[in-house]
Amino acid sequence: GEDVEQSLFLSVREGDSSVINCTYTDSSSTYLYWYKQEPGAGLQLLTYIFSNMDMKQDQRLTVLLNKKDKHLSLRIADTQTGDSAIYFCAEIRGDDKIIFGKGTRLHILP
Amino acid sequence: GAGVSQSPSNKVTEKGKDVELRCDPISGHTALYWYRQSLGQGLEFLIYFQGNSAPDKSGLPSDRFSAERTGGSVSTLTIQRTQQEDSAVYLCASSPSGSGRLETQYFGPGTRLLVL
Repeated sequence: GEDVEQSLFLSVREGDSSVINCTYTDSSSTYLYWYKQEPGAGLQLLTYIFSNMDMKQDQRLTVLLNKKDKHLSLRIADTQTGDSAIYFCAEIRGDDKIIFGKGTRLHILP
Repeated sequence: GAGVSQSPSNKVTEKGKDVELRCDPISGHTALYWYRQSLGQGLEFLIYFQGNSAPDKSGLPSDRFSAERTGGSVSTLTIQRTQQEDSAVYLCASSPSGSGRLETQYFGPGTRLLVL
C-alpha cells in the first residue's frame, strides 16, 4: 500500500506492556522511526532502527522489525501514565521520501 | 535559543486571507524542513531547504503554498487565499546537514492554523 498503517487507538492498564504496531510501505526502506507526541507538545523522537536490524532495545522500549512483512512494532514495558500520547511510526523509503503513519493514541487505564 | 522556534504558536484566520508562518532553526543548521499535520493525520512533508535553496518542493499541496529562506536561517511559509482544508499544525524542523535522516531533524513546537 501507499500509506503507513497504524491502529488509531490502544488502551493499556498501567504497569502492563503496550505494543503498538505499524505496517510500512516500502521493502527498500532504510530507516524506521517511532515518535511520541503529547498533547500540545512537539514531536519527540523515541527510537529508530536501521533496516538491517531485527530488534533494538532501549530501556523500556523494544522495537521489532519484520522486513518480510514490512511490519514494525514498539513495545513499551511497564506502561506509565506519562506514556499517554500519540505514537507515530515513520519510514525513509528507498526513494528517500519520508512517510509518517497517522498515529496511534495510547490511553492508559488506572 | 537552544531549539527550533516557530511563530505564531496559534493563528486563526478567515478563509481567503493570506498567512505567514515563521521558523527559526537551530543556529548553524543548514537544512530546514516544513511539514503539515492535519487533524488525525501523520506528518506530511511539504518542502526542504538546503541553505537558501529548495531542492525539494514536491510536497507543497498547491500553488497557494510557497516558502522562502533568507540568509540560510529563518524561513517563512506563506499560504495565500487560505481554505478551510489548510487548517492544520505546521511543523518546522532543522538539521545540521541535508542527509534526510529523520533522527538528525529537530522539530519545533509547530504553528496551529485554523481557517474559519
